[in-house]
Parts: sequence; C-alpha cells; structure tokens
Amino acid sequence: QVQLKESGPGLVQPSQTLSLTCTVSGFSLTSYHVSWVRQPPGKGLEWMGVIWTGGSTAYNSLLKSRLSISRDTSKSQVFLKMNSLQTEDTATYYCARVGDGTYYPLYVMDAWGQGASVTVSS
Amino acid sequence: DIQMTQSPASLSASLGETVTIECLASEDIYSNLAWYQQKPGKSPQLLIYYANSLNDGVPSRFSGSGSGTQYSLKINSLQSEDVSIYFCQQNYDSPPTFGAGTKLELK
Repeated sequence: QVQLKESGPGLVQPSQTLSLTCTVSGFSLTSYHVSWVRQPPGKGLEWMGVIWTGGSTAYNSLLKSRLSISRDTSKSQVFLKMNSLQTEDTATYYCARVGDGTYYPLYVMDAWGQGASVTVSS
Repeated sequence: DIQMTQSPASLSASLGETVTIECLASEDIYSNLAWYQQKPGKSPQLLIYYANSLNDGVPSRFSGSGSGTQYSLKINSLQSEDVSIYFCQQNYDSPPTFGAGTKLELK
C-alpha cells in the first residue's frame, strides 16, 4: 500500500539547516509528485514546495530563498533542506503524494506521511 | 496568492446532528477545492476533491458542494469519530493554499 514516512532531527538550532527525508513505498517517484507541507503547533497548513515526476521543483515564494527539495529515485526518497532556521519554523513537517491530474487533481494531496516534529531552539 | 477563509473557526455539535463548514476563496477557483480531515495527533487525510468528489473509503455522510468562490462541507448524522479539524484547500493556482481550519467537537 501507499506509504510515506518522514525522518530527521527533532531539534535544530537557530540559524542552522534543517534536513528531512521522506521515504516512500507503494508508488514510484517517477510516477507521482511529492510535496512538503508544514504545520506550526496548533496552527494551519502551509504548502512548502513540490518535486515533480521529472525531477524539477516548485517552491512557495515565501520560502524559496531558503528551501531546496531533491530526490533519489533509486532509494524512493525525497529530501527537504531549509537553511537559516528561526523559531517560527518550529512545526510538524509532512511529505505528501500529489495528484497529477489524471485521477486526483494537481496539487491535491491524497496520501500523507505521519509527520516529523521539528523544534528550532538553542 | 489565493486566500481561503473558513468559517466557523470552531463548532460544537451533538451526535446525529448535521453540520456545515464554509470556505470562501478570494477569487474564482472553478471548483478546484479539496477538503481534508485531521484527527487529533494525526496527519491530514483527503476527504473530497473537485469540490464534491468523495475520496475512496470516505463515508457517504460527508458531502461537498459549491462553485466560484463559495464552498461547503456537510456532515450528516455526526459520529464520534468525526471529531477533527477540517481544512479546505484550493488547488486552482500555485501555491496551493489552505483555510485556517474548523475544529469540530462534540457537544
């Protein structure tokens, strides 16, 4: 079945770089797009960016200068790197499978990981 | 970016009741509207897409409607397992944006 699982450090110091990995199973990264979405504690959802099946990326303009999404298709892994972290980046970070418009519409997220809780603190 | 305004922010209802959650887009999104359910401590799950298409496995007591800038999620015969936060999301334009959420509790 379709699964996504985020992994990474739970604590990052201010000004440092966050690195997260999303390991997927049950589908191929060359057949489905994958997005990252974050949720600060007790708050709403913010779309961060997407890596398309062809390997190109698109980012939320609010985060674009700090964010990088990449992948290793042989390992079925998608990576998120975000630099210059501040306390307001404290959130649960989710990776999610994105529709391609054939069944699910583009940008609709039909499967989500369990989330990785990240705290930015010294 | 397209702004999504959800109402109410919170809602308390009794078992068996019918509840409705509204979502207003800042511009026409041509029914490119999805609803997600987030149970306490869990990740969001897709309920509805294209404003009114029920995702596989979602109970038929959930339904979506709307067009243009105004959309709604209706839950008939509220069950205890429906206690969740519900988010709308527009997928018409990038970046996809979410409403702030509606917290549904049992009365």
